[in-house]
Formats: sequence, C-alpha cells, structure tokens
Amino acid sequence: AQSVTQLGSHVSVSEGALVLLRCNYSSSVPPYLFWYVQYPNQGLQLLLKYTTGATLVKGINGFEAEFKKSETSFHLTKPSAHMSDAAEYFCAVSDSNYQLIWGAGTKLIIKP
Amino acid sequence: DAGVTQSPTHLIKTRGQQVTLRCSPISGHKSVSWYQQVLGQGPQFIFQYYEKEERGRGNFPDRFSARQFPNYSSELNVNALLLGDSALYLCASSPRTGGEQPQHFGDGTRLSIL
Repeated sequence: AQSVTQLGSHVSVSEGALVLLRCNYSSSVPPYLFWYVQYPNQGLQLLLKYTTGATLVKGINGFEAEFKKSETSFHLTKPSAHMSDAAEYFCAVSDSNYQLIWGAGTKLIIKP
Repeated sequence: DAGVTQSPTHLIKTRGQQVTLRCSPISGHKSVSWYQQVLGQGPQFIFQYYEKEERGRGNFPDRFSARQFPNYSSELNVNALLLGDSALYLCASSPRTGGEQPQHFGDGTRLSIL
C-alpha cells in the first residue's frame, strides 16, 4: 500500500533562507506525486506535481521539487523564503486506485 | 471561472444528529472527491465520484454516504454524528478520474460536534 512520510511537523527558517521540506513515499506502482499548500482556514492549493518526464518539477511561487526514484523522495525547495510562504505544506501520492494518500503535513514558519 | 464551492462554511451539530454537506465543482469537472481533515493531520480520503458513479471509498463507516447529481455537484451525508466526526470536510474536483489529475479544492466545511 502507498504511504507518505513528511519529516518534521514544523520547519522554521529565516526570511531569505533556503526552504527544504522533506517527503518520502512508498508506492507499488509508478507514482504520481503532488505538493499542496494550505493557508489558515482555507482549502488546499496545488503547488506542483510529478507525473512523468523531467524529474525536476517547477511550481508556483518559486517552489520546485525533485523526484528521486532511488531514494523514493520528492523534497520541496525554494531558494529564498518570504514571509508569505508561512503555511502548512502537504505531500501526496496517488495510489493504484487514483486516490490521494497524504502525508501529515509540515508547518513552515518564517522568522523575520 | 468560479472555483470549487462548498456550503455551509461552518456547522455545529450535536451527537446523534445527521448532516449534509454540499459541493459544486469547477465548471466542466466531472470528478468529485471528499476528504476529512482532522486538526493537525493530513486529509483522509472518504469518497470519489465520477459521472455520478462511486469510483472509490476510503476506510470510513457506513454512516458516511455521498452522491453526485447530473450537474456533477455532490453531497456528503453523515448520520449518527460522533464527537470524532469534528473536522474540516474538503471537496475537490478534477476534469476526470486518473492518478495524474491534480485536484482542485474548496475551502471546506468546518463541522463541530458538541
């Protein structure tokens, strides 16, 4: 069965610093992988997705993620954090029934 | 174009009551999925509907049911509410079913059980 592990329930970085949010998955089929962001009292917004092709995926708001099959990872990065990036980030994998399996989320805190 | 809309935004019920949550997908989207998000956790899949047929069901009891209408809107019903049903209920739509399809989410209905 598919599963997703996000390392670190909270990650704190200074404004302007590199953002790195970790996601590891297990999947018995070639995975479709997603990162979503959730702001307080809102639904989830798609940041980026990996389906096939290029393993480095660029998303909105300057985020990108790299699919590494050998490491079963799909870590999310952003070169320079902004205060507006403070939110909760979720990694998800699509299972063999096309249903999304979600990680527990990582809350990103930006220090001024 | 309007995004996914959900109603109501907030709801307070007592144990044992029944509740109906509503969702209107993005125009042209034929697939609707429902998720439960308990505070501090990731979403948990409840149902997926496509072309008015159930395409998937998560590990939820039979107290949870849903349906999709000819206009692709959807309702989620929960009977015999328990305290543990308190959560944010999210609806998501996509043009069709398929693992590569990104889902577009509404802002959710926050359900509180007293």
